[in-house]
Amino acid sequence: EAQVTQNPRYLITVTGKKLTVTCSQNMNHEYMSWYRQDPGLGLRQIYYSMNVEVTDKGDVPEGYKVSRKEKRNFPLILESPSPNQTSLYFCASSLAAVLSGANVLTFGAGSRLTVL
Amino acid sequence: AQSVTQPDIHITVSEGASLELRCNYSYGATPYLFWYVQSPGQGLQLLLKYFSGDTLVQGIKGFEAEFKRSQSSFNLRKPSVHWSDAAEYFCAVGAPLNRDDKIIFGKGTRLHILP
Repeated sequence: EAQVTQNPRYLITVTGKKLTVTCSQNMNHEYMSWYRQDPGLGLRQIYYSMNVEVTDKGDVPEGYKVSRKEKRNFPLILESPSPNQTSLYFCASSLAAVLSGANVLTFGAGSRLTVL
Repeated sequence: AQSVTQPDIHITVSEGASLELRCNYSYGATPYLFWYVQSPGQGLQLLLKYFSGDTLVQGIKGFEAEFKRSQSSFNLRKPSVHWSDAAEYFCAVGAPLNRDDKIIFGKGTRLHILP
């Protein structure tokens, strides 16, 4: 089944304890992206990657890191989490970075992170 | 840069009633337009999209949307809602003339269904 898989789905951690949220897609998509969803703010893009070894900042990149060493994986790293990073995180992928009729985002189920 | 507004944070309709969710965008040319739905505990799923051509687009689950250039709108409609349509709906806009292919999401409209 074509899908985007995120882990963990739920995580409670403490301030300053490094964590990684993994994202993997099995559709051979070039484009991958991370969003955070907060009440009243909708989805905001954190980082995106147009292909392997190519990553760019989105609208809210502060406090996050990403890497794209393989096409299928795009982990989100919080080196020193803080309470304002408590949020619902979504990974998404699409066939190619260039928007076309065949190119829409496929989302993972989300990862709910709480930082105490 | 493009932007998108969903004026209604919450909408409540009775089961079987018709539905219209509003979406307005700002962009200097014809944008790419999307509607996504997020059911509780789930990721976002594409309902429909508009890239060009016929301004009335049909989507999954009986939804449709109409692109109105004169009003900068892309409202989502359904003739008769079902209880399973209760979810959060996001309008999104992409900018064909931008190099970064960024898609901007609205803040969402939460749909409540009365039995």
